[in-house]
Amino acid sequence: EAGVAQSPRYKIIEKRQSVAFWCNPISGHATLYWYQQILGQGPKLLIQFQNNGVVDDSQLPKDRFSAERLKGVDSTLKIQPAKLEDSAVYLCASSFGEMEFFGPGTRLTVL
Amino acid sequence: RKEVEQDPGPFNVPEGATVAFNCTYSNSASQSFFWYRQDCRKEPKLLMSVYSSGNEDGRFTAQLNRASQYISLLIRDSKLSDSATYLCVVTPTSGGYNKLIFGAGTRLAVHP
Repeated sequence: EAGVAQSPRYKIIEKRQSVAFWCNPISGHATLYWYQQILGQGPKLLIQFQNNGVVDDSQLPKDRFSAERLKGVDSTLKIQPAKLEDSAVYLCASSFGEMEFFGPGTRLTVL
Repeated sequence: RKEVEQDPGPFNVPEGATVAFNCTYSNSASQSFFWYRQDCRKEPKLLMSVYSSGNEDGRFTAQLNRASQYISLLIRDSKLSDSATYLCVVTPTSGGYNKLIFGAGTRLAVHP
């Protein structure tokens, strides 16, 4: 079974630039998550989708972050404009039931 | 107070040692509990679920104490390959939708 796919794996941008990340969940998984993991910390949930609807986006900085899952499958997470403190690994996960499966993440460096 | 707190580590232990990690959570209504393992520069992967009766998987034993809001993970006969960060994870009540709250993780380094 194919796992959660993410791209790009690495991205370096300058502050105030925009960046987008893509996630393809495991086939058939209705729930998709985006997490931010800052170095030395555990992953923090940014947004959770159930099919193409948002279930929880309480910790998403909505002034600069946006996410969509238009057809209930793939998802994109965008940051516009980026700040230095956005440097982190952005993890996508999907689940069917209680178990979550994570993708390899996108490592973002903001200079 | 953080929702999930863990021993900061790092724990440096020799091969064959027994090591225990502790975790406390603040939401008494939390429903499910897990330990995830995260290797350096890799994604988290589920190690084991934690049940009220305690559960064991080979060299790994997890315990839950709901009254004290405390979770533990015991690793016996440590191997070099056990070196990783161990994340304590709690699922609070969330209207029926699964939502994972991660601790900051405890780093384990097993040396020869």
